[in-house]
Formats: sequence, structure tokens, C-alpha cells
Amino acid sequence: GAVVSQHPSWVICKSGTSVKIECRSLDFQATTMFWYRQFPKQSLMLMATSNEGSKATYEQGVEKDKFLINHASLTLSTLTVTSAHPEDSSFYICSATRTSSNNEQFFGPGTRLTVL
Amino acid sequence: DAKTTQPPSMDCAEGRAANLPCNHSTISGNEYVYWYRQIHSQGPQYIIHGLKNNETNEMASLIITEDRKSSTLILPHATLRDTAVYYCILGGYNKLIFGAGTRLAVHP
Repeated sequence: GAVVSQHPSWVICKSGTSVKIECRSLDFQATTMFWYRQFPKQSLMLMATSNEGSKATYEQGVEKDKFLINHASLTLSTLTVTSAHPEDSSFYICSATRTSSNNEQFFGPGTRLTVL
Repeated sequence: DAKTTQPPSMDCAEGRAANLPCNHSTISGNEYVYWYRQIHSQGPQYIIHGLKNNETNEMASLIITEDRKSSTLILPHATLRDTAVYYCILGGYNKLIFGAGTRLAVHP
């Protein structure tokens, strides 16, 4: 199967600090990676789509300068929440696709961010 | 905006079949129907997808109507571990937009 990992699984930080979340495809090369955010009792909301070596495409309403996405290799994408505030507290989930998967997205286990 | 409509919640007895409906009347010709589920505080898990024909795998069956405007996910023998939120999503070779999903509760 295709495995996607995220690190850390949870993080608590102070308001105003930056937090980096890693998303790795462990046993396949990911042509595209996606970042989602999920607030309690709500559905997943797509934040951005990233392809290796190119700039991420952000969804409407998502601040690209606040949520920095780097997709430096075919197995790693990072999301950095800059100057985090309590309202950024959420469950952040990444997913990845591979060319042979008929667009099936393989999801990571998620990272729970709490900003104090 | 999500282009699918699902009931917000459903119940099912353990061991019985769970039939989860989804309406997607505005589906376009090249859009697939995907089903994912999310168990509490975990990342979503792929279940099945289809374009026109009915599909079956080790987890579930997907029945798509001939006009493709609706579909049904069937879990043939639901277990307590199938309790989750089930998402029906339309997609092509790009992003998936999640709707509210159906919260399925399997009870003993």
C-alpha cells in the first residue's frame, strides 16, 4: 500500500511563533500533495495543492504568506504556519497522489496544532 | 462547494449491510465518484471509486445509477470499526472537495 506520514502528530506552541509540519510519502513518489485543515466537527477544507518543484496553488481565502508550503522533493512537502494565533489551532492533514493511482489520494494521519 | 448531497447521519446494526446514499445530480461526464471515510481524529481512508460501472473491492461495493446522478456505497457486513464519517466526493485528475459526509454509527 501507499503510506503517508506526518510529523509531528501533535504540537503546542505559543502565539506568534511559527510551526512546521512535514508530510512524507514513504513508499512511493508523490506527484502532487495536498494540504487540508479540519476544525472540530467540520469537514476537511482544502488549503492548497502543491507539485514538486513548483509554487503551491492556494484555495480562495487561504493566505499564502501565512501558510508557507514547500515541496522540495517527490516524497516531502512541508507546511509552515507563520506567526500562529489561537484561531490557527486545527487538525492539519496532508495527502499525496501518484501517477498510477487513478487520482486516489493517500492521506496522512494528521497533525493537531494547538496555539496558546 | 461540495457537489454531493448525503444524509447527515445513519445507524446500522452490526453484521447488517450499511447502504449509504449520495446524490450528485450535477456530475459531469469525466468526473469519478470517490468514497472516503474518516474515523475520529484520523486522516481519511480511501474506500472505493467508480465512473459508470458498479465496483466492488474488499471493503465495499459501489452502485452508480445509469444516469450517474446518484450512487450508493454498500458495506456488506458492518462492524463496530466501520463507525466513521463517510464522504462521497466527485473528482477528476485534480483536487477533492469534501462535503459534510454521513456519520455512520454501527451499534451492537
